[in-house]
Amino acid sequence: QSALTQPASVSGSPGQSITISCTGTSSDVGSYNLVSWYQQHPGKAPKLMIYEVTKRPSGVSNRFSGSKSGNTASLTISGLQAEDEADYYCCSFAGSSTFVVFGGGTKLTVL
Amino acid sequence: QVQLQESGPGLVKPSQTLSLTCTVSGGSISSGNYYWNWIRQPAGKGLEWIGRIYTSGSTNYNPSLKSRVTISVDTSKIQFSLMLSSVTAADTAMYYCARYGDYGPGAFDIWGQGTMVTVSS
Repeated sequence: QSALTQPASVSGSPGQSITISCTGTSSDVGSYNLVSWYQQHPGKAPKLMIYEVTKRPSGVSNRFSGSKSGNTASLTISGLQAEDEADYYCCSFAGSSTFVVFGGGTKLTVL
Repeated sequence: QVQLQESGPGLVKPSQTLSLTCTVSGGSISSGNYYWNWIRQPAGKGLEWIGRIYTSGSTNYNPSLKSRVTISVDTSKIQFSLMLSSVTAADTAMYYCARYGDYGPGAFDIWGQGTMVTVSS
């Protein structure tokens, strides 16, 4: 069982927006603004999409945005495209001992 | 552009030690403020951080695996390695090496392609 809780699946039509939630605790998501999100296509390595809750690495589309409220972080993808269909994982810093914890992943289907 | 490449046996027997190497190309493993990590993913499941090493050699491990994990670095060979002892079927997974540093703790911006390890007799 993963430390962070994500919905198993979400879906949306092209052009729509979807949001994926990531619920942790006051020991991880709630304590640090160090949540990152990863996109993983089948058979590929994860790709960093969001870091420090809201920031995008260079080259990542501005259709991807992140936010956080309390112990829950969220990833929003606007203007859904077929290429966005993938698994998405959240990750949070959890202190110097545990370091990081991941979510169980959410499968995004673009209808 | 830094790239990472995992290598090692794809099949390990139960109770033996899993050994993997990550080779860094396109940059120096000892320059910059970077941490070098191992992360694994069982088939169809989520990601699990295994541990990290800094170029100084200092390490941190996932508490759930700490008693069985050793990560080391060989800066002259531009490699860092993972050893996981006393493996069981539960250790069967895709193993990735990854780097963080430019985007903060836990923001792994460069990943290897992964190497599949199966634990079976």
